[in-house]
Amino acid sequence: DVKVTQSSRYLVKRTGEKVFLECVQDMDHENMFWYRQDPGLGLRLIYFSYDVKMKEKGDIPEGYSVSREKKERFSLILESASTNQTSMYLCAVPLGYGYGYTFGSGTRLTVV
Amino acid sequence: EDQVTQSPEALRLQEGESSSLNCSYTVSGLRGLFWYRQDPGKGPEFLFTLYSAGEEKEKERLKATLTKKESFLHITAPKPEDSATYLCAVNNNAGNMLTFGGGTRLMVKP
Repeated sequence: DVKVTQSSRYLVKRTGEKVFLECVQDMDHENMFWYRQDPGLGLRLIYFSYDVKMKEKGDIPEGYSVSREKKERFSLILESASTNQTSMYLCAVPLGYGYGYTFGSGTRLTVV
Repeated sequence: EDQVTQSPEALRLQEGESSSLNCSYTVSGLRGLFWYRQDPGKGPEFLFTLYSAGEEKEKERLKATLTKKESFLHITAPKPEDSATYLCAVNNNAGNMLTFGGGTRLMVKP
C-alpha cells in the first residue's frame, strides 16, 4: 500500500513562530500537494510541487512557503505563524491516473 | 474555473434509513470524479472514481452514480459506522489537481 506520512498529528505554536510541517511519501511520485481544511470552507490548495525543487502556488499561498529538496519529502513552512493559520493541514500524493489522491493523516495546528 | 457543490451540508439518518448525497459540478473537461470518506481528525480515504455519465460503482452499502452535471452517493441501510464526512472532488483534463466540494457530514443513529 502507498503511504503518505505527516510528521505530527497535533501541534501548538505561538504567534510569530516559524513552523515546519513535514510530509514524506514512499511512492516516488513527482507530484505532492499541501491543503488546509477548515469548517465550512472545505479543502483549499496551498502549494503543490511537480518535481524536486519545483513548486507552484495554489489558491491560498499567502503566509506560506514550501521546500522540496528530495523527491520523497515536501515541507510546508509558516514563516511567521498567525492565529488565522490555525487549521487542519493535509498532504496528498496522486495514486495514479484515475485514482485520486492518497492523503496523510493530517496535522492539526493551533496557533495561540 | 471548476466548481463542486455538495448537499446537504449535514444529514442525520436512523440506522437502516437509506438516502443519497449530492455532488453538483462544473468542470472544463471531466477527467474523473472522486468520492472520499473522512473520519474526524483523519485524512480523507479514497472510495470511488467515476469517469463518464452513466457509470456506477459500488462498495458494500455505498453506490456512486454520475451524470453530466452531478453525482450521487447512495447509502443503503446505513449503519452507525458509516458516520463520517463524505467529500466529492473533480479532476479536469489540465492535470493532476483536484477541486473539492465542502463535504456532507453524515450521522447515523442506532
